[in-house]
Amino acid sequence: DGGITQSPKYLFRKEGQNVTLSCEQNLNHDAMYWYRQDPGQGLRLIYYSQIVNDFQKGDIAEGYSVSREKKESFPLTVTSAQKNPTAFYLCASSTGTGTFSEKLFFGSGTQLSVL
Amino acid sequence: DAKTTQPPSMDCAEGRAANLPCNHSTISGNEYVYWYRQIHSQGPQYIIHGLKNNETNEMASLIITEDRKSSTLILPHATLRDTAVYYCIVRVQAGNQFYFGTGTSLTVIP
Repeated sequence: DGGITQSPKYLFRKEGQNVTLSCEQNLNHDAMYWYRQDPGQGLRLIYYSQIVNDFQKGDIAEGYSVSREKKESFPLTVTSAQKNPTAFYLCASSTGTGTFSEKLFFGSGTQLSVL
Repeated sequence: DAKTTQPPSMDCAEGRAANLPCNHSTISGNEYVYWYRQIHSQGPQYIIHGLKNNETNEMASLIITEDRKSSTLILPHATLRDTAVYYCIVRVQAGNQFYFGTGTSLTVIP
């Protein structure tokens, strides 16, 4: 089945530690996105990538880093510089064509908590 | 500044139509309006989207005002399984970014 796979589902971070959230898609989509969701709030864009080897900062990129070495993969690293990392993280993808048919497809999310 | 504004919560009786409003008064002519819904701790699911014209699919209808400053998502016959948070989203052409609002928590009451 085509879709987006996020792993792990739950992740714990110790003080001063970097952690990496995995996002893989087999939809052959060019564009991929990372969103952060805090309890009772909407989704905020962290980073997005329209094509391999290129990515742009979203509204809340500080304390995060990404890479896009392969079309299928868009891992997110939460660095120690992110002082409040506890949140639900969602990865999404889209065709990236910008046409009327463009839609976001989401993974099932990763809940990150600080120990 | 938020691109969309939604009421934080709404109730709807089971079997009745649920009408969820969204204000997007700063939308530009080439920006699309999308609606997604999210059930607790899952990824949001696509419902419907449009640019200028009203749209209908098997899940819902989307009514966009002529000036495009607001829209309404209509679930024609709400069921208990429609209880979720509904997000109104604007997709901007620059960077193909999707901007989420804070959502409306819809509770369908038996």
